[in-house]
Amino acid sequence: DAKTTQPPSMDCAEGRAANLPCNHSTISGNEYVYWYRQIHSQGPQYIIHGLKNNETNEMASLIITEDRKSSTLILPHATLRDTAVYYCIVRASLGGVDYKLSFGAGTTVTVRA
Amino acid sequence: NAGVTQTPKFRILKIGQSMTLQCTQDMNHNYMYWYRQDPGMGLKLIYYSVGAGITDKGEVPNGYNVSRSTTEDFPLRLELAAPSQTSVYFCASSYGVAEPKQFFGPGTRLTVL
Repeated sequence: DAKTTQPPSMDCAEGRAANLPCNHSTISGNEYVYWYRQIHSQGPQYIIHGLKNNETNEMASLIITEDRKSSTLILPHATLRDTAVYYCIVRASLGGVDYKLSFGAGTTVTVRA
Repeated sequence: NAGVTQTPKFRILKIGQSMTLQCTQDMNHNYMYWYRQDPGMGLKLIYYSVGAGITDKGEVPNGYNVSRSTTEDFPLRLELAAPSQTSVYFCASSYGVAEPKQFFGPGTRLTVL
């Protein structure tokens, strides 16, 4: 599995964009980048995923560098409810089976009023 | 849809006791997973299942057993509880390879004393 590196914590002002970086320099060509978040005491929540192109959905945008060695999750207008631990995950698959998401320590994002 | 439900929410066990953590999903997902999360850490995969009657080990299966007799249910059994099994347990499900999102339950907080 490709390993990911994220900063342990970051602060963000409410209403501003939050840019969360992730390094995955050993990613393989067929591995996707996933982002999940975990609000305190709750189960993780899927945010977005991508392979090589930039992706956007109602929650966030994902920017993947051309060499795919790093990515950035963008929360366009952070709110207090976005305070959570954010996990950058490179999906491992075995024989095409989606069997494993490897969660590391993630980035603790605190949105301040 | 209720999504993924887990019972109980909290449980305290004595060393050597046994218990079953229940997990049910109503999304007709083929894949189901059990993770554990120790304090301040990321999630680790215990067991997973790709369909009724099919289960396999994840990263940390020792001390646990699972079964999958129906699509909806994926119980996790602890046979001889140990303090090292004190953790929060999350059940998750996904449709499969074509739909990589995993949907998580609210978790069961287990303490072994």
